Amino acid sequence: DAGVIQSPRHEVTEMGQEVTLRCKPISGHDYLFWYRQTMMRGLELLIYFNNNVPIDDSGMPEDRFSAKMPNASFSTLKIQPSEPRDSAVYFCASRLEPGNTIYFGEGSWLTVV
Amino acid sequence: AQKITQTQPGMFVQEKEAVTLDCTYDTSDQSYGLFWYKQPSSGEMIFLIYQGSYDEQNATEGRYSLNFQKARKSANLVISASQLGDSAMYFCAMREGTGNQFYFGTGTSLTVIP
Repeated sequence: DAGVIQSPRHEVTEMGQEVTLRCKPISGHDYLFWYRQTMMRGLELLIYFNNNVPIDDSGMPEDRFSAKMPNASFSTLKIQPSEPRDSAVYFCASRLEPGNTIYFGEGSWLTVV
Repeated sequence: AQKITQTQPGMFVQEKEAVTLDCTYDTSDQSYGLFWYKQPSSGEMIFLIYQGSYDEQNATEGRYSLNFQKARKSANLVISASQLGDSAMYFCAMREGTGNQFYFGTGTSLTVIP
């Protein structure tokens, strides 16, 4: 079975550019999560969706970050404009209620120079 | 207070030996779940094992077992017969009740020595 699929795996962009990260959750999963991992702060939950509806975006660092889930099989995390401090690994994960486990994608490694 | 504490930044183990990675947690909920994830150098986060707070038996998955000591609030991961491919970062995590916030520890870097 296909796991959570993320793209791109690696992105290097210049400060000020728009970055779009994409995620396809595991088919049938009704929860989707976006996490950010940095050395300083570890794994942070940015936002999560239930049945395509954003439920909690309190972890989104600022207005430069936005996330959408137009359908059950696709989500995007957008950063506009990007800054060097946004450099991190961004993970998408999904879960099927009532299961407990969240399953991660391979991550998108973002470098903003 | 930290929800999840992993006190071992780095661990070394000889190939084929067993190793225990420590994890303690802090919660006042009666219902919670504990998880271990593996992150190899390639970066992906791989789910290893899950233990529910009401589970009476320690969880096992192949060479992985979770040593769950509720009174001590510890959920240590035991890897038996270590292999070179076990070299990775290992993260302990907790979910409280039916919430969707997962609390992650800072991780333990495990190196398996041939």
